[in-house]
Amino acid sequence: SQQGEEDPQALSIQEGENATMNCSYKTSINNLQWYRQNSGRGLVHLILIRSNEREKHSGRLRVTLDTSKKSSSLLITASRAADTASYFCATDEMEYGNKLVFGAGTILRVKS
Amino acid sequence: EAQVTQNPRYLITVTGKKLTVTCSQNMNHEYMSWYRQDPGLGLRQIYYSMNVEVTDKGDVPEGYKVSRKEKRNFPLILESPSPNQTSLYFCASSLLGPGYEQYFGPGTRLTVT
Repeated sequence: SQQGEEDPQALSIQEGENATMNCSYKTSINNLQWYRQNSGRGLVHLILIRSNEREKHSGRLRVTLDTSKKSSSLLITASRAADTASYFCATDEMEYGNKLVFGAGTILRVKS
Repeated sequence: EAQVTQNPRYLITVTGKKLTVTCSQNMNHEYMSWYRQDPGLGLRQIYYSMNVEVTDKGDVPEGYKVSRKEKRNFPLILESPSPNQTSLYFCASSLLGPGYEQYFGPGTRLTVT
């Protein structure tokens, strides 16, 4: 399978805590993106990090990329109940041309 | 409003009855793609298109066809649907390719009995 992997599969935290989810991929990438999905709806883009970047911030989101380990992490700080959703990473890996490969996702539940 | 639309949103059909799910974007995007989402498997790309008349297979193309005759439309065709194609389908588009922000449609929930 070309699919990337994410962990944990599910995460449950209290409101106000930080949430960290990880993504690993198989080959060299051009970019890595994170998306959010609320309960069976269409995915919404959160952040894109290029292969020559190591860290990127957007509001309460912080993404890191370690190309030597072929992994990325998404940190959501000061989580809110509204952050409850599934989170997916997606990569355009050089080996696979113009395909976009998604991970299996992390289900985040933020309890209020 | 910039958006990707899909129709129908819900469809129940029987094995072997040809169906088409339409997808349209109003953002003049070059790249369009179809995904299916199954529990525990995330999204898997079915087909993608880099431009008009240019389509290519994703990871799970078997049993599906696509066409890109106009820039804005990218229909997904199931010539002979089978129960293992029961899934949630998403269309997406982006400005130039997979390395750009993808805009997703609302999804089509397909059940094949």
